[in-house]
Amino acid sequence: DSGVTQTPKHLITATGQRVTLRCSPRSGDLSVYWYQQSLDQGLQFLIQYYNGEERAKGNILERFSAQQFPDLHSELNLSSLELGDSALYFCASSVEGERNTIYFGEGSWLTVV
Amino acid sequence: GQQLNQSPQSMFIQEGEDVSMNCTSSSIFNTWLWYKQDPGEGPVLLIALYKAGELTSNGRLTAQFGITRKDSFLNISASIPSDVGIYFCAGLNYGGSQGNLIFGKGTKLSVKP
Repeated sequence: DSGVTQTPKHLITATGQRVTLRCSPRSGDLSVYWYQQSLDQGLQFLIQYYNGEERAKGNILERFSAQQFPDLHSELNLSSLELGDSALYFCASSVEGERNTIYFGEGSWLTVV
Repeated sequence: GQQLNQSPQSMFIQEGEDVSMNCTSSSIFNTWLWYKQDPGEGPVLLIALYKAGELTSNGRLTAQFGITRKDSFLNISASIPSDVGIYFCAGLNYGGSQGNLIFGKGTKLSVKP
């Protein structure tokens, strides 16, 4: 158990809909990362937040957005969903600093039908 | 942007054999991380390396941070069937706006009993 909690674990929704994925980082971790992994693909970095502020942005579509709240949990919002958005979405967290280590949650399976 | 080349892409080995995989980068990192991912699950951190030249073990796993800071390798000794999975290397630079983790494309390991 990495200590990073993601909900929901599985989600099936229709095209055009909007969903929200939730992440609770490990206790004490200020940074939250979101990654997308499609079938047989590697991990694509979407976005990073540090203590409530956006720190780094990767290949995140305009239809997707994220935020980190004062209690440090984060949400990834996916809207106008398309079939190609079906993937595993991972949240990860880290404390930052010289011996930075990043731990991943178990992921949220999104299926768009 | 930064890219990691991870090789080999896949390996088919006999139980009991040793395994070696590596990652190279065009630019330097100050942290290297190695993860294992089982199908449908989140990447699990195996080893973290923070200093050039550092050699770290975790059971049958050994990883090294290259002297140039542009490469790292992971060795698995005396492989067993539960070693099956995808192994990812990841490079990280903390601080500034480069907070995200750059992943290799993974090495898929298959072990024949």
